[in-house]
Amino acid sequence: GQSLEQPSEVTAVEGAIVQINCTYQTSGFYGLSWYQQHDGGAPTFLSYNALDGLEETGRFSSFLSRSDSYGYLLLQELQMKDSASYFCAVSEDKIIFGKGTRLHILP
Amino acid sequence: DSGVTQTPKHLITATGQRVTLRCSPRSGDLSVYWYQQSLDQGLQFLIQYYNGEERAKGNILERFSAQQFPDLHSELNLSSLELGDSALYFCASSGDRGNYGYTFGSGTRLTVV
Repeated sequence: GQSLEQPSEVTAVEGAIVQINCTYQTSGFYGLSWYQQHDGGAPTFLSYNALDGLEETGRFSSFLSRSDSYGYLLLQELQMKDSASYFCAVSEDKIIFGKGTRLHILP
Repeated sequence: DSGVTQTPKHLITATGQRVTLRCSPRSGDLSVYWYQQSLDQGLQFLIQYYNGEERAKGNILERFSAQQFPDLHSELNLSSLELGDSALYFCASSGDRGNYGYTFGSGTRLTVV
């Protein structure tokens, strides 16, 4: 079966940096992706890592270590609008999502 | 607007009833995926269709069924509804196998009373 583990909640201060970790167990693996979801909204795609290393997209970066079955999402220069839930997801023949990390940002 | 259209946005119905949720994928996308999200829960994969054919199945209840039509729109049918079926139901689409990333619709909020 598959399982993904990520913290349920993280709190950070506006302007700071925060890292959301994700570990996974899966029988087949193509890559790790991250999605953002604001309350009541739809998940939106942030990033995808198929290979080991760091992918940077603006203020957001995502890292993958396939040998450690581990990845993280790094958010820099936090803004209040970044308050949302963040889901890691593993790609097999379909995408399986973790339970999400709710990010609280303090002014 | 993500390009994935879901209707209706809200649905309130009684236990034991049957409802149909509709999804039109983004133009050009062949794959459609259905997910269920209960309060404070993650996204539970239900089922995937690719170009009209069922491709993958998750923990979808026998009371639930889906199909994808020749014009690529999809419908999720939920029957003998129970209170626990109250949730947000999302449809997502992708261009191929979808391993890269999905585009989600805005969801249908189903409330069973």
